[in-house]
Amino acid sequence: KQEVTQIPAALSVPEGENLVLNCSFTDSAIYNLQWFRQDPGKGLTSLLLIQSSQREQTSGRLNASLDKSSGRSTLYIAASQPGDSATYLCAVMTETSGSRLTFGEGTQLTVNP
Amino acid sequence: DADVTQTPRNRITKTGKRIMLECSQTKGHDRMYWYRQDPGLGLRLIYYSFDVKDINKGEISDGYSVSRQAQAKFSLSLESAIPNQTALYFCATSSERETRHEQYFGPGTRLTVT
Repeated sequence: KQEVTQIPAALSVPEGENLVLNCSFTDSAIYNLQWFRQDPGKGLTSLLLIQSSQREQTSGRLNASLDKSSGRSTLYIAASQPGDSATYLCAVMTETSGSRLTFGEGTQLTVNP
Repeated sequence: DADVTQTPRNRITKTGKRIMLECSQTKGHDRMYWYRQDPGLGLRLIYYSFDVKDINKGEISDGYSVSRQAQAKFSLSLESAIPNQTALYFCATSSERETRHEQYFGPGTRLTVT
């Protein structure tokens, strides 16, 4: 059974700092990995999707990497802004899961002005 | 208009009541999912459907049932609501035709069972 862990559970940084969020998974036979953003009480916004054959994806100030062999992904946020404050969720689709996602518990990010 | 909509957005109900949460999508996707999120936890899959005649249980289906009325509509029912079903419920869709299998989420329904 796939298990997804995100570290740290919460992170507080000053504005302008570069930061890294971590995601680890136990079954390396994955189809893809998605990073989502969730604002308080709101839905999920997809940030980046990395397919199993890819090593990284970039969108603006965000860069997500994938290392299947070690069961790890990182989300790098450059030059953080207060508007980046949210919970970031990692979700993995395993090859045998039939397109179901397994989610981590999320990292709650606060960027202080 | 949003591609994936959920109704109601908020609902307060009492223990023992039957309640239905509805999800509609205009993306033309064949696959639909219901997830539940509890405070401080990630999302957990309740039920999923790959087409109108294909319904599957997820990891936490006890106490829930679903109906896929059409390709665009997927409803979640709580036959007799209990307080520990208080949570944020999300519907999602994806397409078997898209190789990325990316899932798109609705805005969520906040359910409180008193």
